[in-house]
Amino acid sequence: QVQLVQSGAEVIKPGASVKVFCKASGYTFTRYTMHWVRQAPGQSLEWMGWINAGDGHTDYSQKFQGRIIITRDTSASTVYMELRRLTSEDTALYFCARSNDDASSWYDYWGQGTLVTVSS
Amino acid sequence: QSVLTQPPSASGTPGQRVTISCSGTRSNIGDNYVYWYQQVPGTAPKLLIYRNNQRPSGVPDRFSGSKSGTSASLAISGLRSEDESDYYCAAWDDFLSDVAFGGGTKLTVL
Repeated sequence: QVQLVQSGAEVIKPGASVKVFCKASGYTFTRYTMHWVRQAPGQSLEWMGWINAGDGHTDYSQKFQGRIIITRDTSASTVYMELRRLTSEDTALYFCARSNDDASSWYDYWGQGTLVTVSS
Repeated sequence: QSVLTQPPSASGTPGQRVTISCSGTRSNIGDNYVYWYQQVPGTAPKLLIYRNNQRPSGVPDRFSGSKSGTSASLAISGLRSEDESDYYCAAWDDFLSDVAFGGGTKLTVL
């Protein structure tokens, strides 16, 4: 069965970076794209970017350009999302989500979420 | 402020039919597929409807989706207590080159 397992909760100081991983299993990793979506407390979902696990091509939301890097390790079937220069507004639950397409909002499987808290 | 507009809340009694709307523009809903997600707060969203009106396997046929022009709707018939969740619509936005999500609708089963 398809599973996306994310890394554990993080507490990060303002100005620092966080790197969250998403380990996939139960399917051919390189045939899908992985997206990252976050949700601040009490807020809606917010798309951050995607990586094509096959060719490594990425695309990011304009909002996060210059602060986000998404990478993948095909040997480990794992996708990484690094977000830099964190502020309190980055406190949120971060999800990875699998998609058949690059530019898409069709997510059939989701990770369990990683809580990132930005606090001094 | 979300790109897609949803009512913040909806409610119904068990057995009733409830509809949740999602309004957008040509660049998102008008020219792209709409997707619906169900989310219990604090947990991962679950895909309910894909490509406007298709149900993934395992999703009851009580859930249905539709789209007309720049608006879409999610209908839930035979409302059950376990349907109490947050519901989000989503669509790719060609103008923003971004995924547009609705603000979410909190469904209460009275």
